[in-house]
Amino acid sequence: QSALTQPPSASGSPGQSVTISCTGTSSDVGGYNYVSWYQQHPGKAPKLMIYEVTKRPSGVPDRFSGSKSGYSASLTVSGLQAEDEADYYCSSYAGDYTLVFGGGTKLTVL
Amino acid sequence: QVHLQESGPGLVKASETLSLICTVSGYSISSGYYWGWMRQPPGKGLEWIGNLYHTGVTYCNPSLKSRVTISVDTSKNQFSLKLSSVTAADTAVYYCARVTAAYTAQFDYWGQGTLVSVSS
Repeated sequence: QSALTQPPSASGSPGQSVTISCTGTSSDVGGYNYVSWYQQHPGKAPKLMIYEVTKRPSGVPDRFSGSKSGYSASLTVSGLQAEDEADYYCSSYAGDYTLVFGGGTKLTVL
Repeated sequence: QVHLQESGPGLVKASETLSLICTVSGYSISSGYYWGWMRQPPGKGLEWIGNLYHTGVTYCNPSLKSRVTISVDTSKNQFSLKLSSVTAADTAVYYCARVTAAYTAQFDYWGQGTLVSVSS
């Protein structure tokens, strides 16, 4: 069971859109529609932003959206705001009732 | 509102057993959902440790399975984590969280986390 692959960093200016990728295998991301995304500000607990690839929990702005193609999932943040600057982690079901996280992406709002 | 709080020693000696408790309020563990443990070494990413159902069924990360015990005390609305034979690599912030099912990766409520350091 290997960690999902995310780019270490991503950036964008206020108002722009940025997309963060999460690449796995046929045993995790590619095999199931159970991919979640979490936002984590420094010193805080992660917060669920997307689940089941595309669904947003109540209270999460619709600027956040998720998608999946093949073995890769993506999180897109549109209309970037200063408060979106944080670390983002993807997570996926990996079969046999196990879960795996990505290595995390640090999003910087320029 | 569902609230989770981790508690336990902040310092554990190498080769000993790390023990943490997660106390849940605002929701009865016996009512359903799964409950999980994650950890995050300083400056690094999240790692899933394992999930638990109130019946006692558990699922663990294969890389940690031999050292992990997750259990539940429904009378106290708590669940716990024990990690044996710890080394410096087990130094991390440990989080407990609620997960909607064993296969969803959907952790909707998290504790604030507790830092556990392993000393040599």
